[in-house]
Amino acid sequence: EVQLVESGGGLVQPGGSLRLSCTASGFTFRNYWMSWVRQAPGKGLEWVANIKQDGSEEYYVDSVKGRFTISRDNARNSLFLQMNSLRAEDTAVYYCARIRPGGHDVFEYWGQGTLVTVSS
Amino acid sequence: DIQMTQSPSSLSASVGDRVTITCRASQSISSYLNWYQQKPGKAPKLLIHDSSSLQSGVPSRLSGSGSGTDFTLTISSLQPEDFATYYCQQSYIGPPTFGQGTKVEIK
Repeated sequence: EVQLVESGGGLVQPGGSLRLSCTASGFTFRNYWMSWVRQAPGKGLEWVANIKQDGSEEYYVDSVKGRFTISRDNARNSLFLQMNSLRAEDTAVYYCARIRPGGHDVFEYWGQGTLVTVSS
Repeated sequence: DIQMTQSPSSLSASVGDRVTITCRASQSISSYLNWYQQKPGKAPKLLIHDSSSLQSGVPSRLSGSGSGTDFTLTISSLQPEDFATYYCQQSYIGPPTFGQGTKVEIK
């Protein structure tokens, strides 16, 4: 059974940093593109970042470029999101998601999410 | 970026009703359109990918259709477990983008 478990969320002040983690199990992690998708309270879904199987390619939504970094550790079946210079508008539940093989961004499996609150 | 617009934003329906949700893209996305279901406090769940391909385990009363800019998600006979919010998402080009969601409520 595919499982994705996020951790690392919490309350942080504007301008602060936070590192999210996602631990994968039930599949061969190193074979899949992975993604972070977020959802602000009461709002819709917003894609944040993607990373290739070997970590050699990364893509970001414009609003987080230069502030967030996606990375992975295939030996530990783990995905990360380093978030710096956090803003109030980054407040959201952050989901990690596995991308369906085939070359397009279909979010096949999702974790339960971790809440990030940016507030003073 | 490609904009995705869903209609309606919400609807009320009864168990057994046929329900249709529409999603429109700001430019052609071929058939690279996916549908997700989200229940309160839960993660989204992939229902349909590539416009009409049912994800494994999804009941056959759900179906998707469309290509180009106009797409539909149809639930042929609404069941209690179908009351949720549904999102479309394009995976054709550029950053993947989602519609604003359609909330299906009990009448």
